[in-house]
This record gives sequence, structure tokens and C-alpha cells, in this order.
Amino acid sequence: GENVEQHPSTLSVQEGDSAVIKCTYSDSASNYFPWYKQELGKGPQLIIDIRSNVGEKKDQRIAVTLNKTAKHFSLHITETQPEDSAVYFCAVRTPGSQGNLIFGKGTKLSVKP
Amino acid sequence: DTGVSQNPRHKITKRGQNVTFRCDPISEHNRLYWYRQTLGQGPEFLTYFQNEAQLEKSRLLSDRFSAERPKGSFSTLEIQRTEQGDSAMYLCASSFQGGNIQYFGAGTRLSVL
Repeated sequence: GENVEQHPSTLSVQEGDSAVIKCTYSDSASNYFPWYKQELGKGPQLIIDIRSNVGEKKDQRIAVTLNKTAKHFSLHITETQPEDSAVYFCAVRTPGSQGNLIFGKGTKLSVKP
Repeated sequence: DTGVSQNPRHKITKRGQNVTFRCDPISEHNRLYWYRQTLGQGPEFLTYFQNEAQLEKSRLLSDRFSAERPKGSFSTLEIQRTEQGDSAMYLCASSFQGGNIQYFGAGTRLSVL
């Protein structure tokens, strides 16, 4: 089955710096790649997503890039702020299934003021 | 719309007892998903419904677990004869049919003593 690896597991940056989180996946037919942010005591919240027919997508300070050949995708956060501190999860939707999102193990991002 | 609602938020039970959780999806979302999240891990898919039909089940969903969505609106997840290994956060998500985005609730945290 699909396997998703996420790195790093923890990331600490200074306010204003950029943060990059990377995920790799195993099934080349996977076609949808969302990123979720989870704050303490809350459920995951979608922050950005990308489909397999697109190489990059940007939304203000957040961007996602997808390399289908290498089977990896990355989350980029620029001009980080303390409120960006949270756990970030990448996910992959397996082909042929409308229900099955496979998540990475998460990255705990700490933004120091 | 208040988003995906899950009740209770916390449940403490003794090993061997049965527990039931409820999820109310975003209205007009006909797909509903259940995930389990243990500490330091990403959510793991359990099962999903399209309207009242249960269309996919993970092998994580042992025979002690049963999920229902009798009228295609709210859903319940029951765990019979709970074990300590069932301690986790149980997350519910919903989406439109054909939609990519899954919206998550805040989860029910289960502690089995």
C-alpha cells in the first residue's frame, strides 16, 4: 500500500524566517496531496492542497510544490509568525479510493518570536 | 454552518466496556469519514460512508468496531469490549461527493483504563 514519509519531525525557526517541510510517497498513481495544520486540542485544518496535474500552488505566505517524477511534495511557509506554530501533516489520496487519505507522521513547527 | 461536530470531546472508560461516539457532519456533505490518531502520529483511516452506505473499511477496523450512518446524516462509531490499545483520538471528517477537501471535527479523545 501507499507509504508517506514526512521530514523533519520537528522544526524550529525564528519569526520572519521561512520553513520547509517535505513528504515523499510511494505510489506514483496517487493524485491528491493536501496539507493540514493541527493546533493543540483541535482537529486538522486544511491549509493548502495540490492535484497531480499541477506543479505548484501558492496562497499568500503558503506554497506547495509537487515533483511527480521524484514522488515528493513540499510545504513552504514564508515570513513565519508565532501563530504558525502547530503540527503540520501531509497526506496523499490513494488512487481508486475516494475515502482513503494516508497521512505522514507530522512536523511540529515552533516559531520563536 | 458550524462545521463538523463530534461528541463527546472526551471519554474515559474501563477496559471491557463499550463506548459510542457521535459525529454530525457539515450539512449537505454526503461523505463522512472516521480516522484514528494516536499520540505523535498522523490520522489513520478507519472507514467512510457515502450517504448511508459504508463503502470502505480499513483493516484497522477490527470486529469490535462498528460504524453506522442510518439516515445519511450523523454517524456513530461503537467500540465493544474496549482495550487499552484503543486509547486514541477518534476524528470524523466530511466532504461533498466528488470533492477533494475533507473537513475535520475536533475529535473524541478516548482513554481506556
